[in-house]
Amino acid sequence: AQSVTQPDIHITVSEGASLELRCNYSYGATPYLFWYVQSPGQGLQLLLKYFSGDTLVQGIKGFEAEFKRSQSSFNLRKPSVHWSDAAEYFCAVGAVTGGFKTIFGAGTRLFVKA
Amino acid sequence: SQTIHQWPATLVQPVGSPLSLECTVEGTSNPNLYWYRQAAGRGLQLLFYSVGIGQISSEVPQNLSASRPQDRQFILSSKKLLLSDSGFYLCAGISGSSYNEQFFGPGTRLTVL
Repeated sequence: AQSVTQPDIHITVSEGASLELRCNYSYGATPYLFWYVQSPGQGLQLLLKYFSGDTLVQGIKGFEAEFKRSQSSFNLRKPSVHWSDAAEYFCAVGAVTGGFKTIFGAGTRLFVKA
Repeated sequence: SQTIHQWPATLVQPVGSPLSLECTVEGTSNPNLYWYRQAAGRGLQLLFYSVGIGQISSEVPQNLSASRPQDRQFILSSKKLLLSDSGFYLCAGISGSSYNEQFFGPGTRLTVL
């Protein structure tokens, strides 16, 4: 069965520091991978996605993610965090089982300190 | 571009009362539609998805039901709410190619007292 694991429930980084959020997935075929961000009380916004091709994917707001098939990982990175990046981040895998579904991880809450 | 509307934004209901949350879609036709629930501090749990009018798939057994009376309308319902139904409900859609990313509505915060 498909699953997504985000091992860090919350992370705190200083403003200007680099960020890496971890994501591991389980899926039997080539995965469709996504990172979404959710601000408090809001819906989700897509940061970036991977379908095929270059394993380093660029997204909005200066984020990038790298797909590593050998590690079943799709970690999200940002070289310099801004206070406005504080939010909850969800990794997700797209699964085609009788219709396209997206399986989400439990999320990682990012706190940014001044 | 696709837009999802959800209402109401917040809702407080007594235990045992009925529920109807509505989700409508603009900017696309024949989307796949989804209802998620997000409990406090937890991830998104897929409740229902629909690939077309009248077609509903349930992901988990629960006190809720869903209906899709029109192509761009998706409704989440309950006959009698439970305390455990409290949470943040998100409607989402996928349009065009099956492998596009989902677009989300703003959500409904439901509190059952």
